[in-house]
Amino acid sequence: NAGVTQTPKFQVLKTGQSMTLQCAQDMNHNSMYWYRQDPGMGLRLIYYSASEGTTDKGEVPNGYNVSRLNKREFSLRLESAAPSQTSVYFCASSEVWQSSGNTIYFGEGSWLTVV
Amino acid sequence: QKEVEQDPGPLSVPEGAIVSLNCTYSNSAFQYFMWYRQYSRKGPELLMYTYSSGNKEDGRFTAQVDKSSKYISLFIRDSQPSDSATYLCAMSGSSGYSTLTFGKGTMLLVSP
Repeated sequence: NAGVTQTPKFQVLKTGQSMTLQCAQDMNHNSMYWYRQDPGMGLRLIYYSASEGTTDKGEVPNGYNVSRLNKREFSLRLESAAPSQTSVYFCASSEVWQSSGNTIYFGEGSWLTVV
Repeated sequence: QKEVEQDPGPLSVPEGAIVSLNCTYSNSAFQYFMWYRQYSRKGPELLMYTYSSGNKEDGRFTAQVDKSSKYISLFIRDSQPSDSATYLCAMSGSSGYSTLTFGKGTMLLVSP
């Protein structure tokens, strides 16, 4: 049981380049999320998809776009990477929306460096 | 004032010690309280979950919530080197599409 799988695990980008982080879950979860984790800032929600076919902005959406490709897959795109987007990115999923204490399962993370 | 405050540590203890990790919060609407454990270069994993006030025990781990003081704690008894990780508190309300708010995490180091 793989859980939440993210690719790539490591990536170095030049300023202005674009890239897409891929995420897939095999738990038949309805809700999926993208977080970023920075030293001293904790985990911050970028975008979420409460259910297939819907996406919404989280706390820090600027510079990112997302696509909920199907129930399993939720991708995060950086259209024009900036050094401020250097971070660790986590994809996560939950059976239903994260309120009411529903458990969120995280992927292993994607380390992104923008130079 | 941040919604959730958590001392970043590091907290260094010898093996076998009792560890106390804490978070304070300001939003009285929070009803669900969680502790996540994150090993180095890994994603967070849910450790404990508590609804509203009270205690919850699971093996060597005890989670406490004091809503009147807006204070939550995680206690680890007989700490082991394998407990060395960053511990994140997280909390949410119960209305509609309320999202989880995470603390910044406390790094715990348990030495043999």
